[in-house]
Amino acid sequence: GQQVMQIPQYQHVQEGEDFTTYCNSSTTLSNIQWYKQRPGGHPVFLIQLVKSGEVKKQKRLTFQFGEAKKNSSLHITATQTTDVGTYFCAGGDYGGATNKLIFGTGTLLAVQP
Amino acid sequence: NAGVMQNPRHLVRRRGQEARLRCSPMKGHSHVYWYRQLPEEGLKFMVYLQKENIIDESGMPKERFSAEFPKEGPSILRIQQVVRGDSAAYFCASSQQIGYQETQYFGPGTRLLVL
Repeated sequence: GQQVMQIPQYQHVQEGEDFTTYCNSSTTLSNIQWYKQRPGGHPVFLIQLVKSGEVKKQKRLTFQFGEAKKNSSLHITATQTTDVGTYFCAGGDYGGATNKLIFGTGTLLAVQP
Repeated sequence: NAGVMQNPRHLVRRRGQEARLRCSPMKGHSHVYWYRQLPEEGLKFMVYLQKENIIDESGMPKERFSAEFPKEGPSILRIQQVVRGDSAAYFCASSQQIGYQETQYFGPGTRLLVL
């Protein structure tokens, strides 16, 4: 079945350092969505990428969708303590009729002040 | 504009009891998805419903689990004869319509603990 993997599983950075998480799918995706989940919280939608090679920015966050639509990355510049949480990518089911999301394994980001 | 609502937020059950989880989608949304998150893991798709229809239940366990989204009222995820392995966070998401570009918005989740 379709699998979406993320690396690293865990990243510990000093405040101000940059952070990147990578997402790889075993199959082509119709779109990729990124969510952030704080400890004890629920997934909060960050962004959606649809086009091959697409790059989107949100303040200090940069999202990229690969040319083959099988991988994606999230880069955070100059991390802050408020960035703490688990970042999940979620792939849309290409060609499927249900739009169910296949979630990645997640990257837990810890930021030390 | 209220978001996706789920209740209860926390539910404790003893083995063998039934658990009923409710989800009210965002206003104007007619598509509901249920996901399960085991401790320290990602979210796994369970079922996708529209009003009065189950569209995709490929992620639902074959036994003890059922879901519905009646014409009136919230969507219900029902777990019969719960076991300890059912302990997890259950999240509901809703979207406005089917389509590749439809964003799913998540509710706060129900944390189920089976003793």
